[in-house]
Amino acid sequence: EAQVTQNPRYLITVTGKKLTVTCSQNMNHEYMSWYRQDPGLGLRQIYYSMNVEVTDKGDVPEGYKVSRKEKRNFPLILESPSPNQTSLYFCASSLVMSSYNEQFFGPGTRLTVL
Amino acid sequence: AQSVTQPDIHITVSEGASLELRCNYSYGATPYLFWYVQSPGQGLQLLLKYFSGDTLVQGIKGFEAEFKRSQSSFNLRKPSVHWSDAAEYFCAVVEYGNKLVFGAGTILRVKS
Repeated sequence: EAQVTQNPRYLITVTGKKLTVTCSQNMNHEYMSWYRQDPGLGLRQIYYSMNVEVTDKGDVPEGYKVSRKEKRNFPLILESPSPNQTSLYFCASSLVMSSYNEQFFGPGTRLTVL
Repeated sequence: AQSVTQPDIHITVSEGASLELRCNYSYGATPYLFWYVQSPGQGLQLLLKYFSGDTLVQGIKGFEAEFKRSQSSFNLRKPSVHWSDAAEYFCAVVEYGNKLVFGAGTILRVKS
């Protein structure tokens, strides 16, 4: 089944403790991105990747890192999480970086930083 | 930068009634517009999209949307709502490349 998977689905952590949220897609998509969803703000893009080893900042990149060493994986790294990063995170992928391509979303990761 | 406005945070409709969710965008050229639905605990599912051509777009689950350039709107409609349609709905526009700019979302409640 074609899908985008994220792990973990739920995570509670404490301020300053490094964490990684994994994202994997099995559709051989070149383009992947991360969004965060906050009430009243919709989804905002954190980082995106056009292809392996090519990443760039979205609208809200502060406090996050990403890497794209393999085509299928696009982990989101929080080196020193803070409470304002408590949010619902979505990974998405599409065939290529084109406005015409549908983006497929993962199920989301709900992160709470205490 | 582009922006998307969904004026209604919550909407409640009776099962079987018609539905219209509003979406307004700001963009100079022809926008690429989308409606996504997020069911509780689920990811986002694409309902429909508009790139060009016919201004009335049909989607999945019986939804349709009408693009009106003069009003900068892309409202989502359904003639008869089912209880399973209760969810949060997001309108989005593509900015450069593949970046989606989302509205704040509209939560739909369906009462029986």
